[in-house]
Amino acid sequence: KQEVTQIPAALSVPEGENLVLNCSFTDSAIYNLQWFRQDPGKGLTSLLLIQSSQREQTSGRLNASLDKSSGRSTLYIAASQPGDSATYLCAVRRMNTGFQKLVFGTGTRLLVSP
Amino acid sequence: DGGITQSPKYLFRKEGQNVTLSCEQNLNHDAMYWYRQDPGQGLRLIYYSQIVNDFQKGDIAEGYSVSREKKESFPLTVTSAQKNPTAFYLCASSEMDGNIQYFGAGTRLSVL
Repeated sequence: KQEVTQIPAALSVPEGENLVLNCSFTDSAIYNLQWFRQDPGKGLTSLLLIQSSQREQTSGRLNASLDKSSGRSTLYIAASQPGDSATYLCAVRRMNTGFQKLVFGTGTRLLVSP
Repeated sequence: DGGITQSPKYLFRKEGQNVTLSCEQNLNHDAMYWYRQDPGQGLRLIYYSQIVNDFQKGDIAEGYSVSREKKESFPLTVTSAQKNPTAFYLCASSEMDGNIQYFGAGTRLSVL
């Protein structure tokens, strides 16, 4: 059974710092991995999608890497801003026959102070 | 303005009552999903539907029911059999391949 873990559960940093969020998964047979952002009391917004054949994806100040063999992904946020404060979730799509479900991690709650 | 609309934003359930959460999308997506989110836990899949008039149980379907009579609508009923319904419920939709899911703003359900 695929399990996804995110460490740390919460992180507080001053504005301008570069930071790394971690995601680990137990079964390396994944189709892709996705990073989401969730603001308090809101739905999820997709940030980056990495296919299993890729090593990383970049969007603006965000960079996500994937090491399938070790079961790890990182989300790097450069020059953090107070507007980056949110919960960040990773999710892996399992390799299944038929429909491929998303398995979510528990999230990292990020607070960036001015 | 394309997207997914969930209503109501807040919902209260009395003991023994069934309640229905609404989810509507105008993205012309084939697939729709319902997730439950509890504090400190990741999202868990309740039900999903890949096509009209067809749906499948997810990982935690007990105590819930759904219907998919129209492509744009996928309502979730929380039945009295669900003994711990307090949670944040999220609806999502995607193209048939399910690669990118778009989420609604959620409904927070509490028990009176």
